[in-house]
Amino acid sequence: AQSVTQLGSHVSVSEGALVLLRCNYSSSVPPYLFWYVQYPNQGLQLLLKYTSAATLVKGINGFEAEFKKSETSFHLTKPSAHMSDAAEYFCAVSSSGGYQKVTFGTGTKLQVIP
Amino acid sequence: DAGVIQSPRHEVTEMGQEVTLRCKPISGHNSLFWYRQTMMRGLELLIYFNNNVPIDDSGMPEDRFSAKMPNASFSTLKIQPSEPRDSAVYFCASSLPPGVNEQFFGPGTRLTVL
Repeated sequence: AQSVTQLGSHVSVSEGALVLLRCNYSSSVPPYLFWYVQYPNQGLQLLLKYTSAATLVKGINGFEAEFKKSETSFHLTKPSAHMSDAAEYFCAVSSSGGYQKVTFGTGTKLQVIP
Repeated sequence: DAGVIQSPRHEVTEMGQEVTLRCKPISGHNSLFWYRQTMMRGLELLIYFNNNVPIDDSGMPEDRFSAKMPNASFSTLKIQPSEPRDSAVYFCASSLPPGVNEQFFGPGTRLTVL
């Protein structure tokens, strides 16, 4: 079984401040991990993914995430928030064997305050 | 590349009516997913097809829901009869074999059942 837990359904940051969105995963086999972003009235799009190569993964729009096996975490960060980052962010996990179903977290809505 | 195409974008219907949602995946993608997104339940996987064959339909809520994929370029999700609690945004996504590969989401169909 696999799952992800996103801590905080809503996060507010000031423009220019650090963005930190938390994700913890549970997987019985080595996981693949993803962050997706959803802008209003749109589908989800991939920000970045971890597939057992480098533990620090860089994505689009200046976002990055670090895979920490000891903490079973895959937190998403961005050094300086921009107004255009306001969206909902989903962490997702897939297993590296078997069915490879992707399980999404419940999402975190990011508000950027000018 | 046109991306994943969904139609209609918006559907308003009355309780008891049949609703058919349509999806055209990205050419060359052999995996197709139907998701439902609501405020209360978040993003739920309804059904997953691989090479036009349903692999996992454990998320289909009940017998009122059915999905087909008659060929590699077309899928439908049908609700009959529809109920107000079916109101949600329905997303179709496609990918190369799941697991390590990202899913590409369509823009969604916003369904309102009165």
